[in-house]
Amino acid sequence: GQQLNQSPQSMFIQEGEDVSMNCTSSSIFNTWLWYKQDPGEGPVLLIALYKAGELTSNGRLTAQFGITRKDSFLNISASIPSDVGIYFCAGQRLPGYALNFGKGTSLLVTP
Amino acid sequence: DGGITQSPKYLFRKEGQNVTLSCEQNLNHDAMYWYRQDPGQGLRLIYYSQIVNDFQKGDIAEGYSVSREKKESFPLTVTSAQKNPTAFYLCASSIEWNTEAFFGQGTRLTVV
Repeated sequence: GQQLNQSPQSMFIQEGEDVSMNCTSSSIFNTWLWYKQDPGEGPVLLIALYKAGELTSNGRLTAQFGITRKDSFLNISASIPSDVGIYFCAGQRLPGYALNFGKGTSLLVTP
Repeated sequence: DGGITQSPKYLFRKEGQNVTLSCEQNLNHDAMYWYRQDPGQGLRLIYYSQIVNDFQKGDIAEGYSVSREKKESFPLTVTSAQKNPTAFYLCASSIEWNTEAFFGQGTRLTVV
């Protein structure tokens, strides 16, 4: 399966700062998902997007399904230490196709 | 509580031995998946099953085998043919094929 291009690879920020990360693909995707993974644990689903242009929030997290269908963005506002982890994007090209995952963005937050 | 349970959390095996990783879900999900995670590599699909008694190879199936005899269970066997078996293995399930996937807590396999 095609791997998505996720950036940045890592981020080191101070508590209270806002964070932005994105995921791009050379192909059109039908669904975008954002997951967070704590060290040694399985990924937890944060936000699911199903429509181009869709903007969805989950607390301090906001994700958008790019209008071109080839990208998605995740923003975290007012970061806190428990936001530390690896954030993965996942996309599905068409129904019946496997989910493709990005390589993750590692987020570190200092108090 | 409903969820996906992977066991054991940590597993050590000698090189050349087969080992089976357990994955059980009580979410009544039809689809189940196995992923492998290596540092800096993201998640790569090993095998998936859309329904009981059916499964398909993913991107990196060589050296692995699975079975899906029950809806709730999707065990993964790492065989001696897998050249680099040491990794973090994640099982996931979804209501239907490739809708939102929910993950177990993972099994870290170390082969020495």
